[in-house]
Amino acid sequence: GAGVSQTPSNKVTEKGKYVELRCDPISGHTALYWYRQSLGQGPEFLIYFQGTGAADDSGLPNDRFFAVRPEGSVSTLKIQRTERGDSAVYLCASSLTGIGPGELFFGEGSRLTVL
Amino acid sequence: QKEVEQNSGPLSVPEGAIASLNCTYSDRGSQSFFWYRQYSGKSPELIMSIYSNGDKEDGRFTAQLNKASQYVSLLIRDSQPSDSATYLCAPLPMEYGNKLVFGAGTILRVKS
Repeated sequence: GAGVSQTPSNKVTEKGKYVELRCDPISGHTALYWYRQSLGQGPEFLIYFQGTGAADDSGLPNDRFFAVRPEGSVSTLKIQRTERGDSAVYLCASSLTGIGPGELFFGEGSRLTVL
Repeated sequence: QKEVEQNSGPLSVPEGAIASLNCTYSDRGSQSFFWYRQYSGKSPELIMSIYSNGDKEDGRFTAQLNKASQYVSLLIRDSQPSDSATYLCAPLPMEYGNKLVFGAGTILRVKS
């Protein structure tokens, strides 16, 4: 596609449920990032993929969060046993190579609300 | 101390004026600096990057970098109502590899 695509755009779930958020990066971009953004805050880094492997997952807040990118393109962020504090906009971004990542292209985000 | 500090604003300027947005950062090893614009309800988009001390101009935008003071700024000349958005400062800290660390952003409001 022309840009980074994220689905769903909105997800409302109940506390304790499992959710998956999907990201389809710009074709040919090897680097893929997940950030999350709470109201009034800047994006907070979660995880970075270079190809299929997670090059840096230091931003994942705990073991309830997991992300995969099995074929080096589409990525899925998985959140188990959701908590109200997980409510945020989850942003995916891709970059051609990941080096000098200022050229991050963001998707429109998935807004997660945990009731 | 936060890694990236920005005045949250809102910064209000009249149409046609110069808007000055400031950012300080804690990682002295940062070499690359980026400004992203984020409209309400939208995702961030890159508007400026700067790597060397001094000024870099691109149209109505000028980025200024002073590594010794760990300070980076963005000037917007001839501000337009369409510039109203949140501006995010994002240095690339050397110790953090390939990930950007974003500030909380400054809200800019340009009044016509």
